[in-house]
Amino acid sequence: QKEVEQDPGPLSVPEGAIVSLNCTYSNSAFQYFMWYRQYSRKGPELLMYTYSSGNKEDGRFTAQVDKSSKYISLFIRDSQPSDSATYLCAMSSNSGYSTLTFGKGTMLLVSP
Amino acid sequence: DVKVTQSSRYLVKRTGEKVFLECVQDMDHENMFWYRQDPGLGLRLIYFSYDVKMKEKGDIPEGYSVSREKKERFSLILESASTNQTSMYLCASRSGQGHGYTFGSGTRLTVV
Repeated sequence: QKEVEQDPGPLSVPEGAIVSLNCTYSNSAFQYFMWYRQYSRKGPELLMYTYSSGNKEDGRFTAQVDKSSKYISLFIRDSQPSDSATYLCAMSSNSGYSTLTFGKGTMLLVSP
Repeated sequence: DVKVTQSSRYLVKRTGEKVFLECVQDMDHENMFWYRQDPGLGLRLIYFSYDVKMKEKGDIPEGYSVSREKKERFSLILESASTNQTSMYLCASRSGQGHGYTFGSGTRLTVV
């Protein structure tokens, strides 16, 4: 079983739709969870960061972590064509001396 | 605005050449990382460094080496470039107490 599983997509939605992106993981030691957005031919940029379980909201974006199910989600409300990108989940077991484990990314296409 | 700068966006090299990829960060970050990103394989960690003159092997170090003589600069070296090293190379940095990485824009290397 891979450490982090993420559906590669592409996920195609119309503008204004609510988007749900998900990752599952197997390592129960993961404590820090992140979502990165990567536009074509660019480096990933940090979008959301959460620690342990719970929700975090930032504008149209909400990150959820369910450690009991080893499942994390990113919700995008009122999706825009500018949200079209690849979204990567990432997680680590502790700060400072561990590296991030990334999902392979889900490509999202939002059509006008 | 914090930055990770990779010296080249696109690079074409011949098989057998020694290739240097340079990365500079202006955030006084302790940790720096080199990844390669390939379709279907996601981000794979090549090498990382916790501090000046320190280096650790990642998941795929074969055929690569690194140098970190100054805190702000982390170089990736392809000792003898091969066609299977054609890829997008991404540099990232992180503070010692941080969690998320800041990525550069990437270098797309083609080995012919």
